[in-house]
Amino acid sequence: KQEVTQIPAALSVPEGENLVLNCSFTDSAIYNLQWFRQDPGKGLTSLLLIQSSQREQTSGRLNASLDKSSGRSTLYIAASQPGDSATYLCAVTHNQGGKLIFGQGTELSVKP
Amino acid sequence: NAGVTQTPKFQVLKTGQSMTLQCAQDMNHEYMSWYRQDPGMGLRLIHYSVGAGITDQGEVPNGYNVSRSTTEDFPLRLLSAAPSQTSVYFCASSYTWGPYEQYFGPGTRLTVT
Repeated sequence: KQEVTQIPAALSVPEGENLVLNCSFTDSAIYNLQWFRQDPGKGLTSLLLIQSSQREQTSGRLNASLDKSSGRSTLYIAASQPGDSATYLCAVTHNQGGKLIFGQGTELSVKP
Repeated sequence: NAGVTQTPKFQVLKTGQSMTLQCAQDMNHEYMSWYRQDPGMGLRLIHYSVGAGITDQGEVPNGYNVSRSTTEDFPLRLLSAAPSQTSVYFCASSYTWGPYEQYFGPGTRLTVT
């Protein structure tokens, strides 16, 4: 059974720091991995989608990498800002279908 | 495009009542799904649909019904609400079944007393 783990569960950093969020999964038979952002009381916003054949994707200050063989993904946030404060979720799509399996999330707080 | 929309935003039910959570998307997506989000449990799949007229169960389907009569709409029915169904419910859609980006609605926060 596919399991997705995110470490750490919470992270607090000062503004301007570069930071890395980690996501690991137990079964490498995935279609893709998606990173989401969730603000308190809100829905999920898709940040980056990495297909299983890709190694990384970039959008602005965000860079996500994927190492399928080791079952790991990282989300790198450059020059963090207070507006980046949110919960970040990773989810994998198993290659037997379109169902997303989520990690528990990392709650990020960026202090001014 | 409005994307994925959900109504209502908030709802309070008494135990035993029934209700329908509405979900609609205007992107002509074939694949739609419902998740619930609970503290400590993360997001779990309730039901999904790969197209109009086709639905299937996810991880936690008990107590919920779905149907998909049109491409745009995918309502979730609570047959007889229980306190264990207190949760935040999210609807999602993607182009089709498989390796495609999924888009989520804003959620419905449901409390069952």
